[in-house]
Amino acid sequence: GAVVSQHPSWVICKSGTSVKIECRSLDFQATTMFWYRQFPKQSLMLMATSNEGSKATYEQGVEKDKFLINHASLTLSTLTVTSAHPEDSSFYICSARDSEYIQYFGAGTRLSVL
Amino acid sequence: DAKTTQPTSMDCAEGRAANLPCNHSTISGNEYVYWYRQIHSQGPQYIIHGLKNNETNEMASLIITEDRKSSTLILPHATLRDTAVYYCIVSRGYQKVTFGIGTKLQVIP
Repeated sequence: GAVVSQHPSWVICKSGTSVKIECRSLDFQATTMFWYRQFPKQSLMLMATSNEGSKATYEQGVEKDKFLINHASLTLSTLTVTSAHPEDSSFYICSARDSEYIQYFGAGTRLSVL
Repeated sequence: DAKTTQPTSMDCAEGRAANLPCNHSTISGNEYVYWYRQIHSQGPQYIIHGLKNNETNEMASLIITEDRKSSTLILPHATLRDTAVYYCIVSRGYQKVTFGIGTKLQVIP
């Protein structure tokens, strides 16, 4: 199957700093990518849909100024958590959708904000 | 997207077939059935998808009832590495995908 690379896999940061997470589709082009977050023992929650060359579409309740998404190319989307606080600590997962509408997921990024 | 209903958890003996059911009684004609799984602390993994016909790949088989209101994912010979949460999702493909709580499959030695 197709490969999606997500980096970093684990990040620890101080409260108030910003963190950037990268999501790359390695062997296919993805017009659309998705960002999810997952809290312990819960299911994935869709945060936003990232479309190449246009603004991301955020789900209700997700602050677009806090979670900045950029999808500048057909193989790269980034999520920046701005001014991170302890409550932003979570497992963030990206996915890229291929031409057959199958989503391939990254391995996830575990963010811990101190 | 049509809603899906899955059992919260299931056990399966190692080496036996694991049959995971999914109910999607409100599915519409152009919606596909997708299955993903998430092994603990990893990103989800695509397994298989189908529209009307049964499908098989190297990982699993997908059996969709004739009325398309339910489906079953079959792992023919479950191993310990198949222990995961399995998600059944109904989508038109181009739509965003949201995850329910899935079925936690425990493969027992």
